[in-house]
Amino acid sequence: GEDVEQSLFLSVREGDSSVINCTYTDSSSTYLYWYKQEPGAGLQLLTYIFSNMDMKQDQRLTVLLNKKDKHLSLRIADTQTGDSAIYFCAERVNRDDKIIFGKGTRLHILP
Amino acid sequence: EAGVTQFPSHSVIEKGQTVTLRCDPISGHDNLYWYRRVMGKEIKFLLHFVKESKQDESGMPNNRFLAERTGGTYSTLKVQPAELEDSGVYFCASSHDSRRTGWRSETQYFGPGTRLLVL
Repeated sequence: GEDVEQSLFLSVREGDSSVINCTYTDSSSTYLYWYKQEPGAGLQLLTYIFSNMDMKQDQRLTVLLNKKDKHLSLRIADTQTGDSAIYFCAERVNRDDKIIFGKGTRLHILP
Repeated sequence: EAGVTQFPSHSVIEKGQTVTLRCDPISGHDNLYWYRRVMGKEIKFLLHFVKESKQDESGMPNNRFLAERTGGTYSTLKVQPAELEDSGVYFCASSHDSRRTGWRSETQYFGPGTRLLVL
């Protein structure tokens, strides 16, 4: 079945690291994504990882994939107020296919 | 390069009325997708066009929804008649056809969405 689960809320102090976790059920997923949605804006692709990778780092973002446990995480180092948004975990089995999204984690930054 | 655009940005209609949403994909993108997020729930796939053909319409909720992409450029999504549960944000996305580009993962670029409220 297709299901992506993630917690709905996360509060983090400015300057700390944020870790958003996600689990998925389709073991044949080939691509795993993190999308960001700022208030009133569309979905912005933050980063993605192929299923044959364990980790991907891009500046302040680190994505970890545990394929055995079907667990994906997004770490944002040195969280800033501009990181306040909803973060969607998503999976895709084949290229050109539909993307399966989680409900989104709302990241709130505390001063 | 212009991004994916959607029109209108917001729409408020009464139950039973008709609404047509429009999506203009990035120029040259053969793939066009419609998604919907109902309040507090997941973003759910509705359908996928490759050029003017419907590749996958498994996510369309019922026959009150009609999507078209005549000429393989922009697409419209019509809801007729609209019901209360149709309220939500409708996203459109587009991407290159990876079978032509040979790239492993063709990024889907999303538009800003149309916020639909049915009263």
